[in-house]
Amino acid sequence: DQQVKQNSPSLSVQEGRISILNCDYTNSMFDYFLWYKKYPAEGPTFLISISSIKDKNEDGRFTVFLNKSAKHLSLHIVPSQPGDSAVYFCAASIQGAQKLVFGQGTRLTINP
Amino acid sequence: NAGVMQNPRHLVRRRGQEARLRCSPMKGHSHVYWYRQLPEEGLKFMVYLQKENIIDESGMPKERFSAEFPKEGPSILRIQQVVRGDSAAYFCASSKSSYGISGNTIYFGEGSWLTVV
Repeated sequence: DQQVKQNSPSLSVQEGRISILNCDYTNSMFDYFLWYKKYPAEGPTFLISISSIKDKNEDGRFTVFLNKSAKHLSLHIVPSQPGDSAVYFCAASIQGAQKLVFGQGTRLTINP
Repeated sequence: NAGVMQNPRHLVRRRGQEARLRCSPMKGHSHVYWYRQLPEEGLKFMVYLQKENIIDESGMPKERFSAEFPKEGPSILRIQQVVRGDSAAYFCASSKSSYGISGNTIYFGEGSWLTVV
């Protein structure tokens, strides 16, 4: 029962272009969403989040968009940089709950 | 991220042995979470603990796995009689707040990689 899905296992983008990572969820109770970045042999690092009362949140090069009707969110990185190469996880939670539900991850590779 | 300390970082165990993974939360944090990441999968919630209490263990396998967070010392995730399927990365996270989760309140450690041979 995969409640949070990242259907693209990998994505390759040219340096300087936009990277778009997608995430779908099935549980309509989720009301808070996060994106994490993870390098090999390290723990996840928080990138950006969005509450269900918003449809967009921006932080520097990172923007997250939320489409509640479609149960879909996306992370935009622009411009993409070589240091952005990592695995990106989408996660969701229910307000008041103390656990995150993660997607399977998307491996992003930025090519010079 | 570096504030949550996990050890050992790498652990090799033979089938049937016990594995103990330790997690020291960030200073001032009294809430600890354990997640497991199987190869090529996302992180999956296992257990949420506060000092001396298990609050939510809905993600813990019913047998062989246990967790504690004593009044003094680190949180420990214990796996008895390990099998090859237990090979995974185990991540600990900690938070200060007891209300919900946000990106700025929960911090992950660097993980412990368990290999069962």
